[in-house]
Amino acid sequence: KQEVTQIPAALSVPEGENLVLNCSFTDSAIYNLQWFRQDPGKGLTSLLLIQSSQREQTSGRLNASLDKSSGRSTLYIAASQPGDSATYLCAVPNFGNEKLTFGTGTRLTIIP
Amino acid sequence: SAVISQKPSRDICQRGTSLTIQCQVDSQVTMMFWYRQQPGQSLTLIATANQGSEATYESGFVIDKFPISRPNLTFSTLTVSNMSPEDSSIYLCSVGGTGGLFGEQYFGPGTRLTVT
Repeated sequence: KQEVTQIPAALSVPEGENLVLNCSFTDSAIYNLQWFRQDPGKGLTSLLLIQSSQREQTSGRLNASLDKSSGRSTLYIAASQPGDSATYLCAVPNFGNEKLTFGTGTRLTIIP
Repeated sequence: SAVISQKPSRDICQRGTSLTIQCQVDSQVTMMFWYRQQPGQSLTLIATANQGSEATYESGFVIDKFPISRPNLTFSTLTVSNMSPEDSSIYLCSVGGTGGLFGEQYFGPGTRLTVT
């Protein structure tokens, strides 16, 4: 059974700093990995989808990397802003279907 | 991409009652999913809503408690039955994109349920 873990559970950094969020998964037989953002009490916004054949995917100030063999992904946020404050979740689809297994989430706070 | 709406956005319900949550997608999709997010927790899949057949439930979730309808390829409902305070959660529906197994998934804005 796939298990997805995110470290740290919470992170506070001053505005302007670069930061890295981590995601680990136990079963490397994945199609892709998706990073989401969730604001308090709200739904999920898809940030990046990285395919199993890719090593990196970029969107604006966000860069996601994937090392399938070691079961790890990172989300790099450059030049952080207070608007980046949210919970970040990674998720992988179960092999053979589209059901997602979610990580435990990292609650990010950017301090102005 | 897919645009998903949910109704209601939030509700406060009394113990023992039921609430039906609606999920509407702006395009036809094969599979729709219902997730629950309990306070301070990550998302857990409740069931997969298949058009034209019974929903498929995950371990720990049963049809009597969470009946699901899927009358067409753009709409689904989830009912939370005989509610207790433990059902207080955010309920989210999601759909896959055109990429199938390799594609992005999209989520609705969620329904925030509080049971008193």
